[in-house]
Amino acid sequence: AQTVTQSQPEMSVQEAETVTLSCTYDTSESNYYLFWYKQPPSRQMILVIRQEAYKQQNATENRFSVNFQKAAKSFSLKISDSQLGDTAMYFCAFMNRNSGNTPLVFGKGTRLSVIA
Amino acid sequence: DSGVTQTPKHLITATGQRVTLRCSPRSGDLSVYWYQQSLDQGLQFLIQYYNGEERAKGNILERFSAQQFPDLHSELNLSSLELGDSALYFCASSGPGQGVDTQYFGPGTRLTVL
Repeated sequence: AQTVTQSQPEMSVQEAETVTLSCTYDTSESNYYLFWYKQPPSRQMILVIRQEAYKQQNATENRFSVNFQKAAKSFSLKISDSQLGDTAMYFCAFMNRNSGNTPLVFGKGTRLSVIA
Repeated sequence: DSGVTQTPKHLITATGQRVTLRCSPRSGDLSVYWYQQSLDQGLQFLIQYYNGEERAKGNILERFSAQQFPDLHSELNLSSLELGDSALYFCASSGPGQGVDTQYFGPGTRLTVL
């Protein structure tokens, strides 16, 4: 079974600064995807970014980028130029792709506060 | 707006009762997933349907059941409710088309059992 670990329960960052959220995972699968979801106070789950394991290039979406280290099974999220609207709970998630679309396995989350 | 809808937004009921949560996936999506988010357990997968068929089962209690209808909407039935069933229940969908492997979440149904 896969497991996802987010070792930072809470973090804070000053507005306009950069912050990195950590995520490690454990799997014996070779074909998988990784995701970061954001859950603001509204509790909506919003996709931030995704990474296919077979791609060596790190995914980027505007101010959000990942550092995917496959051998180390590490998948960190970097938020640049942090904004107050980035305040949210961030979840790292794993999806096994060896048998089609499968359920997500989530980490416990990191609560990020952006301070003005 | 993810395109996934869930009703109702809030539900307050008593122990021992039965409720039904409803989910409509994004247009064209064939897979529907149900997740439970409680304070102490985080986000846990309950059950997945694909085009009307059960595809995978997670930590779903026997008191809970689900189905996906021919129009692809899904319902999660929770019976003999206990205080510990109070949680946020999410539905997500994925399927053919853009972002086929990405799950898009609905706004959730907050269930409170008193």
